Amino acid sequence: QVQLVESGGGVVQPGKSLRLSCEASGFSFRSYDMQWVRQAPGKGLEWVSVIHYDGSLQYYAESVTGRFIISRDNAKNTVYLQINNLRAEDTGVYFCARDRRFQTLPNYYYNAMDVWGRGTTVIVSS
Amino acid sequence: DIQMTQSPSSLSASVGDRVTITCRASQDIRKLLNWYQQKPGKVPQLLIYAASTLQSGVPPRFIGSGSGTEFTLTINSLESDDFGTYYCQQAYSPLRSFGGGTKVDLK
Repeated sequence: QVQLVESGGGVVQPGKSLRLSCEASGFSFRSYDMQWVRQAPGKGLEWVSVIHYDGSLQYYAESVTGRFIISRDNAKNTVYLQINNLRAEDTGVYFCARDRRFQTLPNYYYNAMDVWGRGTTVIVSS
Repeated sequence: DIQMTQSPSSLSASVGDRVTITCRASQDIRKLLNWYQQKPGKVPQLLIYAASTLQSGVPPRFIGSGSGTEFTLTINSLESDDFGTYYCQQAYSPLRSFGGGTKVDLK
């Protein structure tokens, strides 16, 4: 079935780095843009980053620009999130999500995150 | 960046109530607005895309409306399974900002 499984989270000291992975199965991974969304403990959803289906374009939230790097390996059906110079405010659950393009009418397309992984937890603490 | 503002931030309701949540965008986003539901300890799930189109499997008591900068999510005849937090998200910009969420709990 269609599935996303994140890994790579853990307890990390401030200033260190971490690489999160999200492995996809059950669909044509190379055809979809992929998103990362995070959620701090007890807080709402925060959009983090997106990478186009072929890896040609990436976008980042202002709060993570310069420290986070999104990448993908379509041969391995995996999207990555490299987090550098970790800060306490990076603590939370990191979800990856598939960005699906829906068509409602001819020439009308809408994107939404239709499949989510269960998340991987990052705790930044000394 | 596009800012998304939801109101209220929380509400208490009873089974059978009609619930309305509002989401406002800081600029015109046409109909490029999605709604997600997240139950405690669970993964967010897509409810509505394109402001008013139900995702497959979502019951018709969920109704999305609006365009431009103002949107609403209405839940007709609230059921026990509907308690949780609802988020709007704009899909106009590649930087897909979320609203702050509306927590719906039992009165």
